Amino acid sequence: SAVISQKPSRDICQRGTSLTIQCQVDSQVTMMFWYRQQPGQSLTLIATANQGSEATYESGFVIDKFPISRPNLTFSTLTVSNMSPEDSSIYLCSGITRPSTDTQYFGPGTRLTVL
Amino acid sequence: GESVGLHLPTLSVQEGDNSIINCAYSNSASDYFIWYKQESGKGPQFIIDIRSNMDKRQGQRVTVLLNKTVKHLSLQIAATQPGDSAVYFCAENIPGNQFYFGTGTSLTVIP
Repeated sequence: SAVISQKPSRDICQRGTSLTIQCQVDSQVTMMFWYRQQPGQSLTLIATANQGSEATYESGFVIDKFPISRPNLTFSTLTVSNMSPEDSSIYLCSGITRPSTDTQYFGPGTRLTVL
Repeated sequence: GESVGLHLPTLSVQEGDNSIINCAYSNSASDYFIWYKQESGKGPQFIIDIRSNMDKRQGQRVTVLLNKTVKHLSLQIAATQPGDSAVYFCAENIPGNQFYFGTGTSLTVIP
């Protein structure tokens, strides 16, 4: 199974600032994703992080608000820009190691609180 | 979007009893399913998966059952332990597409 790490594990930020979350996987994954999970809720896909090109965003999420980079197969960043209290959530990175398996593994998450 | 839902948002069981967590999915084209366990403050942890060419798969103390006729998935946990207390999510996948997650069931094990 892929081991996925994220940092920071948590942060408290002021309204209007930006936070960049880093995600590192220990093995080569073919696909990486970013999810948001609001308290007591399920997971919502923000975007697919594409290596060397622009991420593919889901409905309701835009690049200006959530810029994503993936410079290589095992590393990605998600930035939450111009934050507001509504952005308070857990942000999760995940990876899929196709073609050996379609299983999706998750990082431990970043708990963000915006004041 | 896809609809993956759970029948019960919360479930309480006595330690040592068996737990059954249910999940309904809506897309008959889904061919891969995963159950995740999420403990407080942690990311979802893979428990067990099943493909649509199977109707049952067993792991250590866990069994997943898939009924494609009624688009229903269940997770059975044998001899439930306090460490099993967590939120459990089912997820479905259509080949080449994203995973869709259910709303989650919170399992509480009573010692």
